[in-house]
Amino acid sequence: RKEVEQDPGPFNVPEGATVAFNCTYSNSASQSFFWYRQDCRKEPKLLMSVYSSGNEDGRFTAQLNRASQYISLLIRDSKLSDSATYLCVVATNNDMRFGAGTRLTVKP
Amino acid sequence: DTAVSQTPKYLVTQMGNDKSIKCEQNLGHDTMYWYKQDSKKFLKIMFSYNNKELIINETVPNRFSPKSPDKAHLNLHINSLELGDSAVYFCASSSGPQGTQYFGPGTRLLVL
Repeated sequence: RKEVEQDPGPFNVPEGATVAFNCTYSNSASQSFFWYRQDCRKEPKLLMSVYSSGNEDGRFTAQLNRASQYISLLIRDSKLSDSATYLCVVATNNDMRFGAGTRLTVKP
Repeated sequence: DTAVSQTPKYLVTQMGNDKSIKCEQNLGHDTMYWYKQDSKKFLKIMFSYNNKELIINETVPNRFSPKSPDKAHLNLHINSLELGDSAVYFCASSSGPQGTQYFGPGTRLLVL
């Protein structure tokens, strides 16, 4: 089993749609969780950290389920500019592991 | 001002050559990383340095040797380049081993 697993997609959604991504991790001792965004031919950038109680940043909501060892990202009212690859990141002690990413395309 | 910079941005070279990629961060971070992103877009950590000390050294061929002359720099030297080394190499830094990572723009390496 991979340490961090994501559905690679692609997810193709119309503007205004709500879309959700899940990410599972194998190490129950993992301590910190993040979502990064990577645009085509660009570097990854932090989208948001994921807190135990769940957190929201505008149209983006992140959730953590430690019992089932997964994190999720919900995007509401999708914009064309949300088209990107979304990377799940899990940190354990000194080690950060990236998922392979989920590709999202938002269409007019 | 660029927070994390890498040089060169593009590198095209022949098999068997030796090349170096440089990385500098001006964020005052203690931790720096090298990642490899292959054609399948999977981002894989190669090395991590904290306060100039190696803390992560994944299963990477010993042809790859990182060097950290100071906390702001982490360079990657690659000996005897192979076709399979073609990828995008990203440098990153963070304020600690589990902090937010800030990535450089990447170095696109093509080995012919």
